[in-house]
Amino acid sequence: DAKTTQPTSMDCAEGRAANLPCNHSTISGNEYVYWYRQIHSQGPQYIIHGLKNNETNEMASLIITEDRKSSTLILPHATLRDTAVYYCIVRKAAGNKLTFGGGTRVLVKP
Amino acid sequence: EAGVTQFPSHSVIEKGQTVTLRCDPISGHDNLYWYRRVMGKEIKFLLHFVKESKQDESGMPNNRFLAERTGGTYSTLKVQPAELEDSGVYFCASSQVVAWGEQYFGPGTRLTVT
Repeated sequence: DAKTTQPTSMDCAEGRAANLPCNHSTISGNEYVYWYRQIHSQGPQYIIHGLKNNETNEMASLIITEDRKSSTLILPHATLRDTAVYYCIVRKAAGNKLTFGGGTRVLVKP
Repeated sequence: EAGVTQFPSHSVIEKGQTVTLRCDPISGHDNLYWYRRVMGKEIKFLLHFVKESKQDESGMPNNRFLAERTGGTYSTLKVQPAELEDSGVYFCASSQVVAWGEQYFGPGTRLTVT
């Protein structure tokens, strides 16, 4: 699976949008971009995934660049409960395991 | 609908002892996965079951680790004998029929080997 690069940490103001970048320049055509997060002392939680089109669900939006070499996860109105480590993962369509990197530690401040 | 459950939530054992971790996946999920995070490291894949069969055990660190999923329902992960470097958090996840679907994670079992 392709390797991803994310900033180590970022702060966000409560109520504002949080934009989390991810680089995956070696992604191949059959690989999806997944986002998970891990809130302290809990298991990882699925957020969203996409192939090449932008995706939106009740939790977040995923914007994938046209060349698919990078993506941005958008939390539209961050709350204190969104404080977590966010993982960008690239995974083959027929893949099974998730390969976690270091993720981005997001701190939402009041 | 109940989520993935894991037992125990925390286990403290001495080096050389045996520990068995249990995972109950979401009902109807054929795919079951084990992951772990050892101190200071990233979350790593251990293995993947499809029903009762081991589909991929490429992440199992050594033969002190034995995973089973009898009957294709719950799974156990036994560590025998435990070593200090086995300390960490062990996560179980499950997904529906398609292996590449969303994986639902349990809360994890924190294992401390002293």
